Amino acid sequence: AQSVTQPDIHITVSEGASLELRCNYSYGATPYLFWYVQSPGQGLQLLLKYFSGDTLVQGIKGFEAEFKRSQSSFNLRKPSVHWSDAAEYFCAVGDTGGFKTIFGAGTRLFVKA
Amino acid sequence: NAGVTQTPKFRVLKTGQSMTLLCAQDMNHEYMYWYRQDPGMGLRLIHYSVGEGTTAKGEVPDGYNVSRLKKQNFLLGLESAAPSQTSVYFCASSPSSGGYTDTQYFGPGTRLTVL
Repeated sequence: AQSVTQPDIHITVSEGASLELRCNYSYGATPYLFWYVQSPGQGLQLLLKYFSGDTLVQGIKGFEAEFKRSQSSFNLRKPSVHWSDAAEYFCAVGDTGGFKTIFGAGTRLFVKA
Repeated sequence: NAGVTQTPKFRVLKTGQSMTLLCAQDMNHEYMYWYRQDPGMGLRLIHYSVGEGTTAKGEVPDGYNVSRLKKQNFLLGLESAAPSQTSVYFCASSPSSGGYTDTQYFGPGTRLTVL
């Protein structure tokens, strides 16, 4: 069965610094991968997704993610973090055995001035 | 276009009480989902529906029931609430192109406390 691991429960970065959030998945074939963001008190919003093709995908709000099959990873990056990026970030994989998406436990991002 | 809406936003129940959470979407999506979110556990799927009149169990279905009588609505019921059901509940929907490849659109959540 597919699974998703986000090793970092929370991360703190300074405003203007670069960001990388880690995500590892377990799946035999090419996975369908997603990153969602949840701002405080809000529902989740899609940042980006990967199905096939170019392994570097661009998303909204200046985020990008790189799919690395050899490492079973789909890490999220942003070159310069803004205070408004403080939120919880969820990596997810599509469950090809059904109609579902499996979410990781999330990484909470704190941004310090 | 309101997207996905959830009613109510907050609710406090006593153990053993029942309630229904309503999810509505105006995007004509086929698939709808109910999740619960607990600290450190991410989102866990309770039940889902792949179309009007159909429902299926997710990862944590015990203690919950659902109905999808109309395409735009997906109801989540708690027949006899327990403190372990204290959580934030999210509804989501996705288009008909294929569930696991779809972007999901989430509602704002319902915060439920069971005393």
